[in-house]
Amino acid sequence: GAGVSQSPRYKVAKRGQDVALRCDPISGHVSLFWYQQALGQGPEFLTYFQNEAQLDKSGLPSDRFFAERPEGSVSTLKIQRTQQEDSAVYLCASSLEGGWYGSYNEQFFGPGTRLTVL
Amino acid sequence: GQQLNQSPQSMFIQEGEDVSMNCTSSSIFNTWLWYKQDPGEGPVLLIALYKAGELTSNGRLTAQFGITRKDSFLNISASIPSDVGIYFCAGLGGTSYGKLTFGQGTILTVHP
Repeated sequence: GAGVSQSPRYKVAKRGQDVALRCDPISGHVSLFWYQQALGQGPEFLTYFQNEAQLDKSGLPSDRFFAERPEGSVSTLKIQRTQQEDSAVYLCASSLEGGWYGSYNEQFFGPGTRLTVL
Repeated sequence: GQQLNQSPQSMFIQEGEDVSMNCTSSSIFNTWLWYKQDPGEGPVLLIALYKAGELTSNGRLTAQFGITRKDSFLNISASIPSDVGIYFCAGLGGTSYGKLTFGQGTILTVHP
């Protein structure tokens, strides 16, 4: 399909392990977002890329979280030394353009990666 | 982090009934959005609202952007079993690039 894909869909990690979560956005989409969704909550913004540039990382909860999009397409969210509070669904979304130009540039979400830290 | 206040948290209704849920914020938003999330999937956009006071429909769904720009509601008429899921409001504002702030969600259960 042509939607946003994420892998793995499920990840179980022992506390202290490093994990890497991958997002394949819709081809040609300039903007890419990462959100964290805790159980029973709405998604919360983590970081934003416009092409390969990370323009906002204000939502990253700590310096253990790192995201990259080196070629302006695929993105990886890396969490170092995972903690139990990192357990959540990590959602990736892409949009054709960034910005609000009189109408919303719809963000298309992937199915998410469910991370469980034991 | 900041989230919008969405109510009710959950609803249990009979098929055919109408549903109403709302969302409030202490901040002004330029755009209000309503999403639906099914289990194991990402949110899918239902309705986008761009102007204060705007009333927009999408089939059996109707949503309004509050005059103060700090609230919005979503109505679903004549509910059907496939309406089951989690509904989220989201506000867009404060940045130029589409950063969304979400509500906590309303879990909708429809009994046949």
